[in-house]
Amino acid sequence: DTAVSQTPKYLVTQMGNDKSIKCEQNLGHDTMYWYKQDSKKFLKIMFSYNNKELIINETVPNRFSPKSPDKAHLNLHINSLELGDSAVYFCASRLGPGTAHQVGPYQETQYFGPGTRLLVL
Amino acid sequence: SQQGEEDPQALSIQEGENATMNCSYKTSINNLQWYRQNSGRGLVHLILIRSNEREKHSGRLRVTLDTSKKSSSLLITASRAADTASYFCATDLNTGFQKLVFGTGTRLLVSP
Repeated sequence: DTAVSQTPKYLVTQMGNDKSIKCEQNLGHDTMYWYKQDSKKFLKIMFSYNNKELIINETVPNRFSPKSPDKAHLNLHINSLELGDSAVYFCASRLGPGTAHQVGPYQETQYFGPGTRLLVL
Repeated sequence: SQQGEEDPQALSIQEGENATMNCSYKTSINNLQWYRQNSGRGLVHLILIRSNEREKHSGRLRVTLDTSKKSSSLLITASRAADTASYFCATDLNTGFQKLVFGTGTRLLVSP
């Protein structure tokens, strides 16, 4: 009963290739995120979607394009992969605003997927 | 630049001892959250403290927040080997949509 799942778990590819990472959450959350964690464990937000609408778009190269077909899924496509793209990519979700649930820490907690370890050779 | 700086970067203690990690940030926040990451895994939420709160407890965890100093601390009491992990603070900035900015993390090693 995985709450936030990502595929694939590992991805090894050559420079210049195009690859996609998929994320799905079965928590009924409204908001989803993509983060990048570098080799020094620094975690930085890349994108966020709320009900399929892009709400956060950090300074990320245009080669990265998120897509949310529905509010339970947020995919990340990366074109022309570069060595510097090697990292662990985490998807996360959050209940978010605009629901009938109580306002509280539960609504503001982010739930993370297990990560996708991308290695570009 | 990044919002959160954590101190120490690494901490090594014996089981039963207390572990204290500190987090400093730069701008006003809605709340501050602490997350834990076991090696090779995703982050797990531990505790949230709002900007108008000064202290919160959850089991063996105690979090303090000093908004005047823009700092927070996480105390883990009576540590166990299973507490070995990296701990991150994350600040929820006052920007409308939630955008967590993570600190640099503290790597905690608890030896049996």
